Amino acid sequence: GQNIDQPTEMTATEGAIVQINCTYQTSGFNGLFWYQQHAGEAPTFLSYNVLDGLEEKGRFSSFLSRSKGYSYLLLKELQMKDSASYLCAVNLDSWGKFQFGAGTQVVVTP
Amino acid sequence: ETGVTQSPTHLIKTRGQQVTLRCSSQSGHNTVSWYQQALGQGPQFIFQYYREEENGRGNFPPRFSGLQFPNYSSELNVNALELDDSALYLCASSTRQATNEKLFFGSGTQLSVL
Repeated sequence: GQNIDQPTEMTATEGAIVQINCTYQTSGFNGLFWYQQHAGEAPTFLSYNVLDGLEEKGRFSSFLSRSKGYSYLLLKELQMKDSASYLCAVNLDSWGKFQFGAGTQVVVTP
Repeated sequence: ETGVTQSPTHLIKTRGQQVTLRCSSQSGHNTVSWYQQALGQGPQFIFQYYREEENGRGNFPPRFSGLQFPNYSSELNVNALELDDSALYLCASSTRQATNEKLFFGSGTQLSVL
């Protein structure tokens, strides 16, 4: 079966750093994606990794270890607008069939 | 905004009824995927349409069906609605021009089954 695990909720203060871990066990793997979803809105793409290592995009970075079935999303210099759910997703077949985790709700406090 | 539009935004139905949800993909996108997102959960893959044919299906019963039209817009139909079908239904479009392409999601249709 397919299994993607990530913490349910994380709280951090404005300006701090938060790391959201994601572990996966899936029948296929063609990339690990991270999406951000504000309440009542559509998920929006943040970052993805196909090969092992770190990808940096401004305040957001994502890391992948395929041998460990592990990824993390690092959010730096947290802002209030970063309060949202962060979804870890595995691309199962390269063409848009994704398996999503349940999401990690990040709460940024002043 | 992604350019993917869905209608209606909210819908209330009763158990046993049928529902049709609609999606217009982003300009230039020829592939549409549908996802179901229950409250507090991640999106679950329902199926994908490419060139007007179903191209991959998740673990959903046959009463979930769909169509894709020549202009790449799409419909999701659900027959014999059950209470557990209450969820946010998301449509996502992409182009299939490259592997590992990101999805562009619409804002979804919130379906409530009473």
